[in-house]
Amino acid sequence: GENVEQHPSTLSVQEGDSAVIKCTYSDSASNYFPWYKQELGKRPQLIIDIRSNVGEKKDQRIAVTLNKTAKHFSLHITETQPEDSAVYFCAASKGGGATNKLIFGTGTLLAVQP
Amino acid sequence: EPEVTQTPSHQVTQMGQEVILRCVPISNHLYFYWYRQILGQKVEFLVSFYNNEISEKSEIFDDQFSVERPDGSNFTLKIRSTKLEDSAMYFCASRDRGENGYTFGSGTRLTVV
Repeated sequence: GENVEQHPSTLSVQEGDSAVIKCTYSDSASNYFPWYKQELGKRPQLIIDIRSNVGEKKDQRIAVTLNKTAKHFSLHITETQPEDSAVYFCAASKGGGATNKLIFGTGTLLAVQP
Repeated sequence: EPEVTQTPSHQVTQMGQEVILRCVPISNHLYFYWYRQILGQKVEFLVSFYNNEISEKSEIFDDQFSVERPDGSNFTLKIRSTKLEDSAMYFCASRDRGENGYTFGSGTRLTVV
Protein backbone atom coordinates (compact mmCIF):
# COMPACT_ATOMS: atom_id res chain seq x y z
CA GLY A 1 0.00 0.00 0.00
CA GLU A 2 0.92 3.67 0.07
CA ASN A 3 3.69 4.44 2.51
CA VAL A 4 6.07 7.26 3.32
CA GLU A 5 9.19 6.57 5.32
CA GLN A 6 11.00 9.39 7.09
CA HIS A 7 14.46 9.61 8.64
CA PRO A 8 15.83 10.41 11.10
CA SER A 9 13.23 10.19 13.84
CA THR A 10 15.19 12.67 15.96
CA LEU A 11 17.77 15.24 14.95
CA SER A 12 19.77 17.52 17.21
CA VAL A 13 21.83 20.33 15.72
CA GLN A 14 23.65 23.40 16.98
CA GLU A 15 22.18 26.77 16.23
CA GLY A 16 23.46 27.96 12.88
CA ASP A 17 24.07 24.46 11.51
CA SER A 18 22.04 22.88 8.73
CA ALA A 19 19.45 20.16 9.18
CA VAL A 20 18.40 17.61 6.57
CA ILE A 21 15.38 15.32 6.80
CA LYS A 22 14.78 12.63 4.22
CA CYS A 23 11.65 10.85 3.02
CA THR A 24 10.94 8.01 0.64
CA TYR A 25 7.56 7.31 -0.88
CA SER A 26 6.23 4.08 -2.33
CA ASP A 27 3.52 5.15 -4.78
CA SER A 28 5.09 6.27 -8.04
CA ALA A 29 1.84 8.10 -8.91
CA SER A 30 2.50 10.60 -6.09
CA ASN A 31 3.07 14.06 -7.47
CA TYR A 32 2.73 16.48 -4.58
CA PHE A 33 5.06 16.57 -1.60
CA PRO A 34 4.43 19.00 1.26
CA TRP A 35 6.38 19.46 4.46
CA TYR A 36 4.66 20.36 7.70
CA LYS A 37 6.02 21.78 10.94
CA GLN A 38 4.14 20.84 14.09
CA GLU A 39 4.79 22.44 17.44
CA LEU A 40 3.68 20.62 20.55
CA GLY A 41 -0.10 20.41 20.75
CA LYS A 42 -0.59 22.54 17.64
CA ARG A 43 -1.83 21.91 14.12
CA PRO A 44 0.52 20.90 11.30
CA GLN A 45 1.55 23.99 9.40
CA LEU A 46 2.67 23.86 5.79
CA ILE A 47 6.17 25.24 5.43
CA ILE A 48 7.04 24.30 1.86
CA ASP A 49 5.80 22.01 -0.86
CA ILE A 50 7.00 20.72 -4.20
CA ARG A 51 5.29 19.26 -7.20
CA SER A 52 6.72 16.47 -9.27
CA ASN A 53 7.48 18.67 -12.26
CA VAL A 54 10.33 20.42 -10.42
CA GLY A 55 13.42 19.06 -8.72
CA GLU A 56 14.07 21.76 -6.17
CA LYS A 57 12.32 24.63 -4.46
CA LYS A 58 13.68 27.17 -2.03
CA ASP A 59 12.09 29.64 0.35
CA GLN A 60 14.61 31.63 2.37
CA ARG A 61 16.31 29.17 4.76
CA ILE A 62 14.18 26.22 3.70
CA ALA A 63 14.59 24.11 0.58
CA VAL A 64 13.12 20.88 -0.67
CA THR A 65 14.62 18.55 -3.26
CA LEU A 66 12.87 15.78 -5.14
CA ASN A 67 14.31 12.77 -6.91
CA LYS A 68 11.41 11.13 -8.73
CA THR A 69 13.46 8.26 -10.04
CA ALA A 70 14.54 7.23 -6.57
CA LYS A 71 11.24 8.33 -5.00
CA HIS A 72 13.12 10.43 -2.46
CA PHE A 73 12.53 13.94 -1.25
CA SER A 74 14.36 15.94 1.38
CA LEU A 75 13.95 19.03 3.51
CA HIS A 76 16.95 21.24 4.06
CA ILE A 77 17.00 23.93 6.73
CA THR A 78 20.03 26.21 6.78
CA GLU A 79 21.19 28.52 9.56
CA THR A 80 18.95 26.80 12.06
CA GLN A 81 17.48 28.80 14.93
CA PRO A 82 16.00 27.63 18.24
CA GLU A 83 12.52 28.48 16.97
CA ASP A 84 12.98 25.86 14.24
CA SER A 85 12.69 23.23 16.99
CA ALA A 86 9.55 21.19 16.30
CA VAL A 87 8.37 17.95 14.73
CA TYR A 88 8.58 17.97 10.96
CA PHE A 89 6.41 15.71 8.81
CA CYS A 90 6.79 14.97 5.15
CA ALA A 91 3.78 13.83 3.15
CA ALA A 92 2.91 12.65 -0.33
CA SER A 93 -0.24 12.67 -2.38
CA LYS A 94 -1.37 11.92 -5.91
CA GLY A 95 -2.76 15.41 -6.32
CA GLY A 96 -5.95 16.58 -7.95
CA GLY A 97 -9.23 14.71 -7.85
CA ALA A 98 -11.74 14.55 -5.10
CA THR A 99 -9.49 12.83 -2.62
CA ASN A 100 -5.89 14.00 -2.82
CA LYS A 101 -5.31 12.46 0.59
CA LEU A 102 -1.98 13.05 2.25
CA ILE A 103 0.11 10.11 3.38
CA PHE A 104 2.36 11.32 6.17
CA GLY A 105 5.77 10.20 7.23
CA THR A 106 6.46 9.27 10.83
CA GLY A 107 7.94 12.63 11.75
CA THR A 108 11.31 14.02 12.78
CA LEU A 109 11.81 15.76 16.09
CA LEU A 110 14.28 18.55 15.40
CA ALA A 111 16.03 20.11 18.38
CA VAL A 112 18.15 23.18 17.74
CA GLN A 113 20.54 23.76 20.60
CA PRO A 114 21.36 27.42 21.29
CA GLU B 1 -5.89 34.77 6.72
CA PRO B 2 -8.88 32.37 6.54
CA GLU B 3 -8.86 29.60 9.12
CA VAL B 4 -10.42 26.22 9.67
CA THR B 5 -12.01 26.24 13.11
CA GLN B 6 -12.69 23.20 15.24
CA THR B 7 -14.73 22.74 18.38
CA PRO B 8 -14.34 21.66 21.07
CA SER B 9 -10.59 21.93 21.56
CA HIS B 10 -10.68 19.10 24.10
CA GLN B 11 -13.35 16.52 24.79
CA VAL B 12 -13.35 13.84 27.45
CA THR B 13 -15.88 11.06 27.05
CA GLN B 14 -16.69 7.73 28.58
CA MET B 15 -16.05 4.59 26.60
CA GLY B 16 -19.15 3.60 24.64
CA GLN B 17 -20.48 7.15 24.37
CA GLU B 18 -21.11 8.98 21.14
CA VAL B 19 -19.09 12.07 20.31
CA ILE B 20 -19.45 14.67 17.58
CA LEU B 21 -16.46 16.73 16.56
CA ARG B 22 -17.23 19.92 14.72
CA CYS B 23 -15.38 21.83 12.06
CA VAL B 24 -16.02 24.95 10.04
CA PRO B 25 -13.91 24.75 6.88
CA ILE B 26 -12.82 27.78 4.88
CA SER B 27 -15.94 29.02 3.14
CA ASN B 28 -14.96 28.70 -0.51
CA HIS B 29 -13.15 25.39 -0.13
CA LEU B 30 -14.64 22.33 -1.77
CA TYR B 31 -12.79 19.38 -0.30
CA PHE B 32 -12.94 18.40 3.35
CA TYR B 33 -10.98 15.93 5.38
CA TRP B 34 -10.59 14.38 8.79
CA TYR B 35 -7.24 13.14 10.02
CA ARG B 36 -6.24 11.83 13.39
CA GLN B 37 -2.98 11.76 15.31
CA ILE B 38 -2.46 9.43 18.23
CA LEU B 39 -0.11 11.02 20.75
CA GLY B 40 3.47 10.86 19.55
CA GLN B 41 2.58 9.26 16.23
CA LYS B 42 2.09 10.40 12.66
CA VAL B 43 -0.97 12.04 11.21
CA GLU B 44 -3.31 9.46 9.62
CA PHE B 45 -5.97 9.97 6.96
CA LEU B 46 -9.51 9.07 7.98
CA VAL B 47 -11.88 10.34 5.32
CA SER B 48 -12.31 12.81 2.48
CA PHE B 49 -15.59 14.47 1.54
CA TYR B 50 -16.58 16.24 -1.64
CA ASN B 51 -19.86 17.20 -3.24
CA ASN B 52 -21.79 16.05 -0.18
CA GLU B 53 -20.44 12.55 -0.15
CA ILE B 54 -17.48 10.56 1.02
CA SER B 55 -14.87 10.30 -1.73
CA GLU B 56 -12.47 8.04 0.12
CA LYS B 57 -12.07 6.52 3.56
CA SER B 58 -9.30 4.63 5.26
CA GLU B 59 -9.41 1.32 7.08
CA ILE B 60 -9.59 3.25 10.35
CA PHE B 61 -12.91 4.79 9.28
CA ASP B 62 -15.13 1.84 10.13
CA ASP B 63 -18.88 1.67 10.77
CA GLN B 64 -18.48 3.53 14.05
CA PHE B 65 -17.48 6.68 12.18
CA SER B 66 -19.62 8.95 10.07
CA VAL B 67 -19.30 12.43 8.59
CA GLU B 68 -21.84 15.03 7.70
CA ARG B 69 -22.05 18.49 6.25
CA PRO B 70 -25.48 19.34 7.58
CA ASP B 71 -25.84 23.00 6.70
CA GLY B 72 -23.29 24.04 4.11
CA SER B 73 -20.82 25.41 6.63
CA ASN B 74 -20.24 22.83 9.36
CA PHE B 75 -18.47 19.53 8.77
CA THR B 76 -18.82 16.98 11.54
CA LEU B 77 -17.21 13.71 12.50
CA LYS B 78 -19.29 11.38 14.65
CA ILE B 79 -17.99 8.40 16.54
CA ARG B 80 -20.96 6.30 17.63
CA SER B 81 -19.49 4.20 20.41
CA THR B 82 -16.07 5.40 21.45
CA LYS B 83 -13.27 3.03 22.38
CA LEU B 84 -10.16 3.75 24.39
CA GLU B 85 -8.09 3.53 21.23
CA ASP B 86 -10.07 6.39 19.69
CA SER B 87 -8.18 8.74 22.00
CA ALA B 88 -6.24 11.04 19.69
CA MET B 89 -6.05 14.52 18.25
CA TYR B 90 -8.52 14.87 15.40
CA PHE B 91 -7.74 17.41 12.71
CA CYS B 92 -10.17 18.76 10.17
CA ALA B 93 -8.77 20.17 6.94
CA SER B 94 -10.08 21.79 3.81
CA ARG B 95 -8.74 22.45 0.34
CA ASP B 96 -9.71 24.64 -2.55
CA ARG B 97 -10.33 23.44 -6.09
CA GLY B 98 -7.17 23.19 -8.12
CA GLU B 99 -4.95 23.61 -5.10
CA ASN B 100 -3.00 20.85 -3.47
CA GLY B 101 -2.31 22.61 -0.21
CA TYR B 102 -4.45 21.89 2.80
CA THR B 103 -5.43 24.18 5.61
CA PHE B 104 -5.63 22.28 8.89
CA GLY B 105 -7.77 23.23 11.84
CA SER B 106 -6.33 23.51 15.33
CA GLY B 107 -7.60 20.08 16.30
CA THR B 108 -9.82 18.46 18.90
CA ARG B 109 -8.11 16.36 21.52
CA LEU B 110 -10.42 13.43 22.27
CA THR B 111 -9.79 11.51 25.46
CA VAL B 112 -11.81 8.34 25.99
CA VAL B 113 -11.82 7.08 29.58
